[in-house]
This record gives sequence, C-alpha cells and structure tokens, in this order.
Amino acid sequence: DIVMIQSPDSLAVSLGERATINCKSSQNVLHSSTNKHCLAWFQQKPGQPPKLLIYWASARESGVPDRFSGSGSGADFTLTISSLQAEDVAVYYCQQCHSIPLTFGGGTKVEIK
Amino acid sequence: QVQLQQSGPGLVKPSQTLSVTCAISGDSVSSNNAAWNWIRQSPSRGLEWLGRTYYRSKWFDDYAPSLKGRITINPDTSKNQFSLQLNSVTPEDTAVYFCARTGSGWAFDRWGQGTLVTVSS
Repeated sequence: DIVMIQSPDSLAVSLGERATINCKSSQNVLHSSTNKHCLAWFQQKPGQPPKLLIYWASARESGVPDRFSGSGSGADFTLTISSLQAEDVAVYYCQQCHSIPLTFGGGTKVEIK
Repeated sequence: QVQLQQSGPGLVKPSQTLSVTCAISGDSVSSNNAAWNWIRQSPSRGLEWLGRTYYRSKWFDDYAPSLKGRITINPDTSKNQFSLQLNSVTPEDTAVYFCARTGSGWAFDRWGQGTLVTVSS
C-alpha cells in the first residue's frame, strides 16, 4: 500500500496569511498512462463529507477559490492557501489515486491564530 | 448536477451484514467515465477507501485487500444505484460510510452525505 504522510498535524494561521500543508507518499505517484501525478486534496468541515479541491496534484476543481493551489511532483506535494479566510477552517486531506488500495493522508487541521 | 443519496440502517449487530445503498442522480452507474466508490471514516482509521465498481464495456470491481472476502459492491442499473455489503462486522467496522464518484480527474468529485453505522449488540 502507498502510505501518505501529512505534515503538520495542525496549524494556526492568521487571517489573510499563507497556510502550507505537506504530503509525502511512500512511492512516486506519477501515473505512466497519463503522465500526471495522481494526487488529490480535500477539505472537510465538521458533519460534512470531504470536498474535492485539487486533482492531478495541481488542477483546481471547478468552483474552488483560486487562493487554493497544489504543487509538487514525485512523492512530495503541497497544498497552499495563499490568504486564509475564516471559512477555510477545516481538516485537509491528501489522497493518492495511483495504486489500489487508494489511500489518504491522516489529515491536517487548519485553525485561525 | 450529480447527487448521491445514501440510505441504510444505522445500527448493525456484530457478526451480521452491513448494507448501505447509494442512489445516483445526474449520472449513470453504467457510465464509461466514472467509478463508484465506498469510503469510510472513523477516529481510529481516518479515511479508508473500501472499494469501487465501474463499467467499461463490462463490470469491474476493486476492493481494499484488508476487506477482501467480506466486502461486495454491487451496481443496480434498474435503480441507478450501487450498494455496499460488509459481512461479519465487528465493532471495529463502526464508522461513517460515504459513497463517492470518481470522475474524469480520477478524484472523488461527488460524495454522498454519509451514513453513521454503529456495530453493537
């Protein structure tokens, strides 16, 4: 199984400041058939299902604000919230779609400082 | 727009079978461009992908190795839905169960509302 490790477990950021979340996979998740990294980011608020933010490591899902961006390659990826808003308080997860079983990171809780 | 609506009992006795159904609107369970997944979430296990079914000229399924032998995901084309069956449940199977669609970006782009299933006598 591909293990996904997120860091930090939690972070507190001031409103308007940048939040950066890291995700490391135990294997390269570059998919040979698409030449894209099979890595997605989700946001989850209490009592709700996860919401897709980013797929293919850096493609923003329709309707997601452009303050959310994904980057990285190989086995190291980053989700950046460029200017944290109050509504961004949530837990964020990375997930690989390269190999079965599909696996998620443990989550990063983002709070307001 | 695509919506997934889950239904199923919230309480299952140990050793019995857990069953949850996901009704699809705005898409087809037989779509050649989608896959239909079950994912669960618990404090101890986090988010855990359980398996999927999809149609590419014929039906395929994939399951998490940790659950093989206990899990079945079945499409129902007549009702445009798919279901999860998990046999021989224990309290460790207590979780919120989600259905989700994998779309063209190979990501879970639509989710059901979640069903809390508690395994207890």
